[in-house]
Amino acid sequence: KAGVTQTPRYLIKTRGQQVTLSCSPISGHRSVSWYQQTPGQGLQFLFEYFSETQRNKGNFPGRFSGRQFSNSRSEMNVSTLELGDSALYLCASSSDYNEQFFGPGTRLTVL
Amino acid sequence: AQSVTQLGSHVSVSEGALVLLRCNYSSSVPPYLFWYVQYPNQGLQLLLKYTSAATLVKGINGFEAEFKKSETSFHLTKPSAHMSDAAEYFCAVRVFSGGYNKLIFGAGTRLAVHP
Repeated sequence: KAGVTQTPRYLIKTRGQQVTLSCSPISGHRSVSWYQQTPGQGLQFLFEYFSETQRNKGNFPGRFSGRQFSNSRSEMNVSTLELGDSALYLCASSSDYNEQFFGPGTRLTVL
Repeated sequence: AQSVTQLGSHVSVSEGALVLLRCNYSSSVPPYLFWYVQYPNQGLQLLLKYTSAATLVKGINGFEAEFKKSETSFHLTKPSAHMSDAAEYFCAVRVFSGGYNKLIFGAGTRLAVHP
C-alpha cells in the first residue's frame, strides 16, 4: 500500500496570508489526524477527522480549520498567518487507534 | 489528565553501547503506549506499541520496551547502538478525550550516536 502523502512538502508564506495543506491517507483508512510540530512546543494535536466529520480538536485558535472529503483525503487551512505558525505540519492516518501512520509533513515558513 | 514525560531531551551514546530512552506515563486506565522515531525532514515512524498484551514489546530495528505498571514506565532500549539510530524519539500514550481516542506525545528525546 502507498503510504500517507502530504502536499506540498515546503511552503513559504507571508504574515496575513492563508494556506491550505493536503493529506492523502493510506487506502482504507478513514481517520486522519493533524499535528503541528515546533522546536518550542513539540508535537501538538490539531484535530482529527473521521468519515468527513471532525471528532476531536486540540487547543488551537479558530484560524486553524480542516475538512475531510468522501475519499478520506483531508485538508487543513490556516488563515491570517502569524510568524508563530511556522512549523512542520504532520498528518497521520489510522484504521483504528492502535497505530497511526504519519506522512512526511509539510514545512511551513511564515515570513 | 493522561500524559507522558520523557526524561532527557538529549542522549548521547557511543556506537555499540546500550541505548536507554526513558518514558513515564500518567494514566488512570490501562494505557496504550507507543514509541515513534523521526529522522531529519521526515514524518514519524512507529517503532513499537504496547496494547496490554505482553509487557516486553519488541519493535523494529532491534528496539524493545518494557511496560512496568508499578513504575508507570515504558523505557525504550537497544543493546547496541548503530550510527543509523541517530534520530529523535517520541513516546506517546493513547487517551480518551471528547468521546474518542487521540495520541498525546512526549517532548521527544534526540539521540546522538558517536563513533
